[in-house]
Amino acid sequence: DAGVIQSPRHEVTEMGQEVTLRCKPISGHNSLFWYRQTMMRGLELLIYFNNNVPIDDSGMPEDRFSAKMPNASFSTLKIQPSEPRDSAVYFCASTLKLGYEQYFGPGTRLTVT
Amino acid sequence: TQLLEQSPQFLSIQEGENLTVYCNSSSVFSSLQWYRQEPGEGPVLLVTVVTGGEVKKLKRLTFQFGDARKDSSLHITAAQPGDTGLYLCAGAGAGKSTFGDGTTLTVKP
Repeated sequence: DAGVIQSPRHEVTEMGQEVTLRCKPISGHNSLFWYRQTMMRGLELLIYFNNNVPIDDSGMPEDRFSAKMPNASFSTLKIQPSEPRDSAVYFCASTLKLGYEQYFGPGTRLTVT
Repeated sequence: TQLLEQSPQFLSIQEGENLTVYCNSSSVFSSLQWYRQEPGEGPVLLVTVVTGGEVKKLKRLTFQFGDARKDSSLHITAAQPGDTGLYLCAGAGAGKSTFGDGTTLTVKP
């Protein structure tokens, strides 16, 4: 079992650039979550999908953030344009079923200069 | 909005000591999970509690779910340096889980 896979593990980019984070959930899991973690704000839910359909995107900070899940084995989180305040660790998590325990990926550490 | 408050926020103890961390809410949850996160890694599930009053033990860790399913505690006996990490509770309800801000535990040798 490979677990949740995220790429890249580290991303350093300049303000204004587009950033795309990728996630492969655990095979057979029906729900996928994107989180952002910072020291100041802790772990924040950005958006989650169930059966590839976005259910709740109320945590997405602003229109610069978008997420897609084109199929059951792949999701992306895109920031365009990126800003320094977007610097954080972004986690993807998947679960067999909504309300069940979540399995987290190793995270992508994003630094926007 | 369902909120989970964890206390204490930070805890630094010596190896061998016992400790308890708390997770409280005014909301009822269908289940509650505890996770531990180490630096540079994602949170890892420790336990899920479902029934009010439920107690689960995982080696030196004891988890309890409140009778009303609004709160939970994690007790660690004879803490070891390997227990160091961020402990997060998450309440499940209406599909998504709500995470607390976590307790950062440091166990000094």
